[in-house]
Amino acid sequence: NAGVTQTPKFRILKIGQSMTLQCTQDMNHNYMYWYRQDPGMGLKLIYYSVGAGITDKGEVPNGYNVSRSTTEDFPLRLELAAPSQTSVYFCASTDRVDGNQPQHFGDGTRLSIL
Amino acid sequence: QKEVEQDPGPLSVPEGAIVSLNCTYSNSAFQYFMWYRQYSRKGPELLMYTYSSGNKEDGRFTAQVDKSSKYISLFIRDSQPSDSATYLCAMTWNFNKFYFGSGTKLNVKP
Repeated sequence: NAGVTQTPKFRILKIGQSMTLQCTQDMNHNYMYWYRQDPGMGLKLIYYSVGAGITDKGEVPNGYNVSRSTTEDFPLRLELAAPSQTSVYFCASTDRVDGNQPQHFGDGTRLSIL
Repeated sequence: QKEVEQDPGPLSVPEGAIVSLNCTYSNSAFQYFMWYRQYSRKGPELLMYTYSSGNKEDGRFTAQVDKSSKYISLFIRDSQPSDSATYLCAMTWNFNKFYFGSGTKLNVKP
């Protein structure tokens, strides 16, 4: 039972480079989310999706893009990496039906921009 | 004003103590309230989930929601060293957007 899988676990980027953070869930959840967590801070919502083909901005979307072509996958794209995007990124999913488990989280991608 | 406020701690208690963790919020539309536990270098895991006001108990954990005061609490009884982690409160009104507190770091000393 994989749950939410994020790849890569760690990555170092140079300023101006681009990359895609991958997120896959095998629970057939419609709702998926991307968060960033800075040291000593809570989670800030970047983007979310309520189903395949539907995405919307969260609190901190600038500098990021997402797509949702399938129910399972919700990749996050950084086009021009900046030092301010150094953070830990978490992907989460929920089916909104199971009231005892609103969100399942992956173990995160630790990203450093140098 | 932040949507959700949470004291970052750290909070250090002896083993067996009762721990009280709290969050306040500003948006009266929030209906669903959650507490997550996060160990170092791991994703958050759900501890407690409450809809609207009231109390909910699960083993050593009790969650309380007071919507009139916009205040939620998590109590941990008979705290154990394995409870040492960061505790995050979170809330939402429609499951589209979740709002998290900054987290309280708890250390339970043996």
